[in-house]
Amino acid sequence: GAGVSQSPSNKVTEKGKDVELRCDPISGHTALYWYRQRLGQGLEFLIYFQGNSAPDKSGLPSDRFSAERTGESVSTLTIQRTQQEDSAVYLCASSLGLRQEGYEQYFGPGTRLTVT
Amino acid sequence: KNQVEQSPQSLIILEGKNCTLQCNYTVSPFSNLRWYKQDTGRGPVSLTIMTFSENTKSNGRYTATLDADTKQSSLHITASQLSDSASYICVVGGNDMRFGAGTRLTVKP
Repeated sequence: GAGVSQSPSNKVTEKGKDVELRCDPISGHTALYWYRQRLGQGLEFLIYFQGNSAPDKSGLPSDRFSAERTGESVSTLTIQRTQQEDSAVYLCASSLGLRQEGYEQYFGPGTRLTVT
Repeated sequence: KNQVEQSPQSLIILEGKNCTLQCNYTVSPFSNLRWYKQDTGRGPVSLTIMTFSENTKSNGRYTATLDADTKQSSLHITASQLSDSASYICVVGGNDMRFGAGTRLTVKP
């Protein structure tokens, strides 16, 4: 079946512009995660959606970052007034259940964001 | 201080050799530990998962061990192949999930 998909695969934007990244999770997966990965670095948690519960936004680095999810489907990550330090790969993952229950996360291919 | 520490940060080995990657954690409460493999330019893919009652889990040439008392895990790769070149990430689940920074493994011919 289809895995997690993300779009665009690459995005180059000018400093100060807003960008919107999209994630389509695996159908039926109630949990959705966004991560940021800078070049040569580990995964940095951004936000976690679980069903209709309030999302865990504790990883968002600033108020320029926001994310939404419609039900248990598509999610968008928005970065306003982009800065050069926002340049990274943004990875989305989905899983069947609660994160504390250890369900495997299935990752998308990521969106490579470059802020010039 | 990160609650999940991985070592070494990077490792280079020759094809056919074995290697062991380490993961030490302080996450509490603990419920599970998962190892992921991340190929360059791709998203991570799960290799193994262990709960506190399991102390070893194999997936082909990959064998993970867990000592919940000392809060240590290892990932052993046997007879390495060029395709094993990747980053290996340790993820510990408790009330949430904590990621290690990963070990970058390079297998050379």
